[in-house]
Amino acid sequence: DAGVTQSPTHLIKTRGQQVTLRCSPKSGHDTVSWYQQALGQGPQFIFQYYEEEERQRGNFPDRFSGHQFPNYSSELNVNALLLGDSALYLCASSLGQSLGQPQHFGDGTRLSIL
Amino acid sequence: QQQVKQSPQSLIVQKGGISIINCAYENTAFDYFPWYQQFPGKGPALLIAIRPDVSEKKEGRFTISFNKSAKQFSLHIMDSQPGDSATYFCAPGSGGYQKVTFGTGTKLQVIP
Repeated sequence: DAGVTQSPTHLIKTRGQQVTLRCSPKSGHDTVSWYQQALGQGPQFIFQYYEEEERQRGNFPDRFSGHQFPNYSSELNVNALLLGDSALYLCASSLGQSLGQPQHFGDGTRLSIL
Repeated sequence: QQQVKQSPQSLIVQKGGISIINCAYENTAFDYFPWYQQFPGKGPALLIAIRPDVSEKKEGRFTISFNKSAKQFSLHIMDSQPGDSATYFCAPGSGGYQKVTFGTGTKLQVIP
């Protein structure tokens, strides 16, 4: 039973560019959340997708956008990259949006901005 | 943004000892109190969680203690093992949704 998979594992971009990160949820899960984890910090909630719609959003600018596909997989898009966007981007999936449903995390995409 | 503070920032415990990590929060609306474990190069993994209607929950060597009046909850790891060496995060949430707020993290090292 495959867990949450993210691609790519590492990515290097330059300032001003755009990037797309991908996430396939754990089998049977329908809800995907994205987090940004800066080095030495805890993950920060970006947004959550359920039924192909953004349901919850953290304190991130509109440069961060996403999408969920009918097969529940998801993409995170970041436009106009800044040096401060360098971080580990984590995807988490769950069955439903309820807090009581445990979130399963992928191992992340390490994004470096030069 | 609501603050969630963990202490200590780092912890060194001898094998077989007890590791204690604390989490203090400000948002009284939080009603879900989990702890996550993260190994280097890996995503966080849910370790144990508690709801505010109980003051303590134990799963194996891991125990959560919850103090609602003090707005604090803690993780106790009994008989700590070198394999427990990881970073631990509290991540309280509320509102029925998974918009959790991760703490600052505690790096635990268990030495043989």
